[in-house]
Amino acid sequence: DVKVTQSSRYLVKRTGEKVFLECVQDMDHENMFWYRQDPGLGLRLIYFSYDVKMKEKGDIPEGYSVSREKKERFSLILESASTNQTSMYLCASSLLGQTYNSPLHFGNGTRLTVT
Amino acid sequence: DQQVKQNSPSLSVQEGRISILNCDYTNSMFDYFLWYKKYPAEGPTFLISISSIKDKNEDGRFTVFLNKSAKHLSLHIVPSQPGDSAVYFCAASALGETSGSRLTFGEGTQLTVNP
Repeated sequence: DVKVTQSSRYLVKRTGEKVFLECVQDMDHENMFWYRQDPGLGLRLIYFSYDVKMKEKGDIPEGYSVSREKKERFSLILESASTNQTSMYLCASSLLGQTYNSPLHFGNGTRLTVT
Repeated sequence: DQQVKQNSPSLSVQEGRISILNCDYTNSMFDYFLWYKKYPAEGPTFLISISSIKDKNEDGRFTVFLNKSAKHLSLHIVPSQPGDSAVYFCAASALGETSGSRLTFGEGTQLTVNP
């Protein structure tokens, strides 16, 4: 079974702090993703990566950056946390290929609160 | 602009009855549709999918119907079980997109199956 592990279940940070959310997958997947889930808005794609050191902006990249130095690890960085970044953050991975044969596998999420 | 909409935030059904979850989309470029299920404190898990060349796909108790002319899809669960209680997300992928790179999710519907 694919395992996507997010390092923290809960995080509380102060406004202006630099925040790192870490994600590791153990199935040698090429693709990795960061989503945020907010009530009434569903899941929205922040960034994704289809290879080491490669990254692509998703639908809401503002205020975020990412790092993928190794294939199994994908980090989401909040350069200067703000209260509107309080959310549930979900990491996912998948094989490279078409959507129909490689669905996303998600981690259990990190609930981030920015005060 | 919400391209995938799930208009019912919640649905409650009795055990053994049918659950019908609905999803509408506006982007005619979407050609592949997926349903994910999410339990509290867990990440979403892939449930079932359908290509735009089909109008129905069945997997055990779960059936997804696609009406392209109406830009509408639905997930039927028969018979519903208490363990099906979860948030269900509809998602769509556009033609030619690789795995997960541009999955657009709906807002989610909380299904509660009462014993």
